[in-house]
Amino acid sequence: EVQLVQSGAEVKKPGESLKISCKVSGYSFTTYWIIWVRQMPGKGLEWMGRFDPSDSYTNYSPSFQGHVTMSADKSISTAFLQWSSLKASDTAMYYCARQYYTGSGSYPDYWGQGTLVTVSS
Amino acid sequence: DIQMTQSPSSLSASVGDRVTITCRASQSITSYLNWYQQKPGKAPKLLIYGASSLQSGVPSRFSGSGSGTDFTLTISSLQPEDFATYYCQQSYSTPRTFGQGTKVEIK
Repeated sequence: EVQLVQSGAEVKKPGESLKISCKVSGYSFTTYWIIWVRQMPGKGLEWMGRFDPSDSYTNYSPSFQGHVTMSADKSISTAFLQWSSLKASDTAMYYCARQYYTGSGSYPDYWGQGTLVTVSS
Repeated sequence: DIQMTQSPSSLSASVGDRVTITCRASQSITSYLNWYQQKPGKAPKLLIYGASSLQSGVPSRFSGSGSGTDFTLTISSLQPEDFATYYCQQSYSTPRTFGQGTKVEIK
């Protein structure tokens, strides 16, 4: 059974660093890209970028480039999303998902449960 | 970036109603269009990919159509468990932008 299990909720202060995780199971970690999606409170979905665990290639949305870093540890089948200096505007739910590719396009077919990040002084 | 615009932003409907949600892309995305359902406090769930292909396990009352810039998600007979927010997303180019969402509420 394919599962993506994300780390728990975090409460941080502005300026602090943070690394959240997404542990996958039920498939070969390096076969599919991982994407990250942000959902600010009461708002819609925003695609942050995609990460290829096989070679660590990353493609960020311009809206997030330079503010977050995507990475992974293949030995533990886990993807990470990290910030070096959080802002209050980073308060949101963050989802990871597996990106599946077919001839009909690509789509995230399995999702993590989400990690709520709250940034407040 | 490709802009995705959904309409309406919200709608009220009754169980058994036929519901149609529209998504328009700012440029042609051929058939690279996905639809998701999201319930409060839950991760999005894939319903439709490639504009019209039903994801495994999704009830057949959901269907998608369209190509180019104009797309439609149809729920043929609304069920109580279908009250949720629906999003379209283009998978034609990065960044893979989403529509702003359509909230389907109980009438």
